[in-house]
Amino acid sequence: EPEVTQTPSHQVTQMGQEVILRCVPISNHLYFYWYRQILGQKVEFLVSFYNNEISEKSEIFDDQFSVERPDGSNFTLKIRSTKLEDSAMYFCASTLSQGGTQYFGPGTRLLVL
Amino acid sequence: GESVGLHLPTLSVQEGDNSIINCAYSNSASDYFIWYKQESGKGPQFIIDIRSNMDKRQGQRVTVLLNKTVKHLSLQIAATQPGDSAVYFCAESPGGSEKLVFGKGTKLTVNP
Repeated sequence: EPEVTQTPSHQVTQMGQEVILRCVPISNHLYFYWYRQILGQKVEFLVSFYNNEISEKSEIFDDQFSVERPDGSNFTLKIRSTKLEDSAMYFCASTLSQGGTQYFGPGTRLLVL
Repeated sequence: GESVGLHLPTLSVQEGDNSIINCAYSNSASDYFIWYKQESGKGPQFIIDIRSNMDKRQGQRVTVLLNKTVKHLSLQIAATQPGDSAVYFCAESPGGSEKLVFGKGTKLTVNP
């Protein structure tokens, strides 16, 4: 069964450093998303991406965040200068059609020291 | 504002019993609702969904009920098994938006 994959599974970084989280969505999906989950809290929407551009973003997704689909398979989330409060699980999701079921990857646990 | 909340943070049931997990939502513009299961250290796993033009949908051992009058969503799991132990999230999709708004989650524990 096709699934969303994410790398790395864990990332430890120093405050102020840049990180890139990678995702490979399900191959025929067209809509891509990033969510985050701070430990013990609910999953929060960050951004949606379609046709090589951001279609929607939350207040969390400020200028420190960017997304990219550098090739036909990868979808990345970059945090330019990490802050302590960026520590969280980051989930990628994808769906075939707008408003369709979003399938989530296993997540990347980011720890900012 | 838009928010999705859960009535009970934890639920403990005996193996073989039926489980009911509840969820309240506040955005009457939401037209799509989903239940996800999250096991420790893993991403949310899709269980079942329902659109606002329906009030009930059944899957394998799971049923989702939607009451738009009181903005209430529930997940029923029949013959609960130890493998069902996880945190269950409801999520809503506000009409015209692609994002999912998640609730806090209910931790289901199935006792053998």
